[in-house]
Amino acid sequence: GQNIDQPTEMTATEGAIVQINCTYQTSGFNGLFWYQQHAGEAPTFLSYNVLDGLEEKGRFSSFLSRSKGYSYLLLKELQMKDSASYLCAVLDSNYQLIWGAGTKLIIKP
Amino acid sequence: IAGITQAPTSQILAAGRRMTLRCTQDMRHNAMYWYRQDLGLGLRLIHYSNTAGTTGKGEVPDGYSVSRANTDDFPLTLASAVPSQTSVYFCASSEEGANTEAFFGQGTRLTVV
Repeated sequence: GQNIDQPTEMTATEGAIVQINCTYQTSGFNGLFWYQQHAGEAPTFLSYNVLDGLEEKGRFSSFLSRSKGYSYLLLKELQMKDSASYLCAVLDSNYQLIWGAGTKLIIKP
Repeated sequence: IAGITQAPTSQILAAGRRMTLRCTQDMRHNAMYWYRQDLGLGLRLIHYSNTAGTTGKGEVPDGYSVSRANTDDFPLTLASAVPSQTSVYFCASSEEGANTEAFFGQGTRLTVV
């Protein structure tokens, strides 16, 4: 079966750095997405990786290793507004998105 | 403001009733999707449409139907609601296919009693 694993919940301190990991086992791979979802709101796009390596976008970076079936989202200089769930999703060989359950990130002052 | 709009925002529905969730986008995106989101689970695809006039089944299509008469609208119908269809439903669209950024509506919280 297809599987996306992420930690259920993480806690970090304002101003610090946090890394949210995502491992996947899917039938084929056509890219990996990260989305942010604040409580009670819609998911919003953060990043898309299809090649190995690090993609940096402001305070957020996303890394992909296809050989290891692994990605992480790195958030720097954490702000209280970064408290949200972070969803990892993989595009399989049929171009269907397989979603992880999400990681709830709690930021403490 | 360009975007994707869902209606209603929330609904309590008696089991056995028919219900249509509405979704409209004004970004002229070709692809549209319906997902359900349940606590502890990832988003699950119900139905999708790659372009107007075509639809396809996702991971959990049973009990749901969709139509795509034009580019902008993608309604989701529950023919006879059951309690297991209690969920938050998100409509989304993307410019081309699934390998492009998806834009989500604000969601419909449906409770079937």
